[in-house]
Amino acid sequence: QQQVKQSPQSLIVQKGGISIINCAYENTAFDYFPWYQQFPGKGPALLIAIRPDVSEKKEGRFTISFNKSAKQFSLHIMDSQPGDSATYFCAASMGWTGANNLFFGTGTRLTVIP
Amino acid sequence: SAVISQKPSRDICQRGTSLTIQCQVDSQVTMMFWYRQQPGQSLTLIATANQGSEATYESGFVIDKFPISRPNLTFSTLTVSNMSPEDSSIYLCSVNLADTQYFGPGTRLTVL
Repeated sequence: QQQVKQSPQSLIVQKGGISIINCAYENTAFDYFPWYQQFPGKGPALLIAIRPDVSEKKEGRFTISFNKSAKQFSLHIMDSQPGDSATYFCAASMGWTGANNLFFGTGTRLTVIP
Repeated sequence: SAVISQKPSRDICQRGTSLTIQCQVDSQVTMMFWYRQQPGQSLTLIATANQGSEATYESGFVIDKFPISRPNLTFSTLTVSNMSPEDSSIYLCSVNLADTQYFGPGTRLTVL
């Protein structure tokens, strides 16, 4: 059973546009929600993470929006660039330390068209 | 941050053989993780390896199939034993450092 559900599976965005990727979870014990970016042939790299005590976190062009009551969180990439073309994974775990089992979504392949 | 290297980067193996994947990290870390990423799919945790203790395996993964060694704080190995085509995946090493999980580049395994 997929603990974290992610959509869409693939996304094509024009350069300068906004990319939005959504995730949903069921386990209310999750309290750490990171997003990872993976380029072909590379391992996932942490992009941004949020705890459920805040509704939004922004780092540069990347923003996580978190809706605790709906058990949903999303990644927004503003001013999307061709260099953002990668696969994005949301994840969740029980424990902010990052030392616990990360449950990953199924991934979203983002393509930014110049 | 942590710099993680894995060997081999890729391999093609015959059914019934075993492959040992090495993971080296540039910092001393207590916890190391091994994940599997099947083609076009998500990452699934295989086991957690702490130095000086037995690895802890997740549901669906057993030590006889995926034995793990953790001889020191910067190194670990994962062996994929008695391989079948269903074991074809990318195997990723991960470490926890400063409350963040970092991933290695992965080992792409193809079993014929």
